[in-house]
Amino acid sequence: EDQVTQSPEALRLQEGESSSLNCSYTVSGLRGLFWYRQDPGKGPEFLFTLYSAGEEKEKERLKATLTKKESFLHITAPKPEDSATYLCAVQAWRNTGNQFYFGTGTSLTVIP
Amino acid sequence: NAGVTQTPKFQVLKTGQSMTLQCAQDMNHNSMYWYRQDPGMGLRLIYYSASEGTTDKGEVPNGYNVSRLNKREFSLRLESAAPSQTSVYFCSGAGSGWETQYFGPGTRLLVL
Repeated sequence: EDQVTQSPEALRLQEGESSSLNCSYTVSGLRGLFWYRQDPGKGPEFLFTLYSAGEEKEKERLKATLTKKESFLHITAPKPEDSATYLCAVQAWRNTGNQFYFGTGTSLTVIP
Repeated sequence: NAGVTQTPKFQVLKTGQSMTLQCAQDMNHNSMYWYRQDPGMGLRLIYYSASEGTTDKGEVPNGYNVSRLNKREFSLRLESAAPSQTSVYFCSGAGSGWETQYFGPGTRLLVL
């Protein structure tokens, strides 16, 4: 069964305290793995795309990595403005077109 | 360049009423998607359109219909709204290749 699981569900960090969010998946025919940030009351905002195991992408305090079965979003020295829900999604090709499978997200709170 | 737009932003319906949620994109995406987002459930795919003129069911299509009016517009119709359809609805667009997915701001629907 195609499934994307994120952990932890919620994470509270002190400002400057680095940590990692996990996204594990059991999806066949993977074409890409995506990380999104979602602020309350808004649509998801694209952060990264990873296509193959070993790939890494960085943006400011965020770094995403990919293995064959999971991805990590590393947050280095977070600030309060990094507080949001982080969503992971896997893209797979099916006969009828692209399908996207989303995890339920990790709610991150960064305390000043 | 507005990206992905959705109307209305918020709607209240009575059980049994019908309505159409509108989505338009100016990013020349081939694929378009409708999701619903409920607390603790993550984003779930309702319907998608891999290209103009085609539509397919996603994970939770019951009670919904869609129309891909042209390449830019993809509408979602509730023929007879039910309280279980209270949710936040997101539309998104993506390219047919390896491109990422861009989301609209969402429509908040309350069915009484």
